[in-house]
Amino acid sequence: IQMTQSPPSLSASVGDRVTISCRASQSISNYLNWYQQKPGKAPKLLIYAASSLQSGVPSRFTGSGSGTDFTLTISSLQPEDFATYYCQQSYSTQLTFGGGTKVDIK
Amino acid sequence: QVTLKESGPVLVKPTETLTLTCTVSGFSLSNVRMGVSWIRQPPGKALEWLAHIFSNDEKSYNTSLKTRLTISKDTSKSQVVVTMTNMDPVDTATYYCARIMAYSSSQFDPWGQGTLVTVSS
Repeated sequence: IQMTQSPPSLSASVGDRVTISCRASQSISNYLNWYQQKPGKAPKLLIYAASSLQSGVPSRFTGSGSGTDFTLTISSLQPEDFATYYCQQSYSTQLTFGGGTKVDIK
Repeated sequence: QVTLKESGPVLVKPTETLTLTCTVSGFSLSNVRMGVSWIRQPPGKALEWLAHIFSNDEKSYNTSLKTRLTISKDTSKSQVVVTMTNMDPVDTATYYCARIMAYSSSQFDPWGQGTLVTVSS
């Protein structure tokens, strides 16, 4: 299953509402996870099962969608949110990631 | 506190076999709800899942790399080992191990710090 993220990169300001999209090549129900990765660091789980917030993750992060189209929204971008975000599907036993969306400072 | 740590060579030569070890703490490899995955990331590129193993010794491999990969675990040592044969410069990447949750959304959490492996003669 191919995972396509858009946009590949975006520039935003602190306080902005940011939306990142992830599309699956076939329906994956809600088997979709989101990760945040900062430069030189390992990825960190943000959202699992499309919309469940991982413990300890700020509530400004929300996930939505089902089937083939999913969205990660950051309601008010904070300085520590500048990073690359990846989606990952787990519907298939062949686990796959999206290509990533880099969020940088405008 | 759950932690994972990767160890292994930083440099391998083309055609050699890479062996990486993931040592876990804070959870048991015999826990039926959890397993350990290996994921890699070439410099500047996206993440690629390689393989995982669960407590019942169920294993799954990335089909594009299946012929080159072997994953195993030693529960008593809290270690998961992955080997990749016939290494090539395109296999240069940071290799991560991560805990995978079996009866949820197969999410990876947490991740090890990663180890950069360079393939060069």
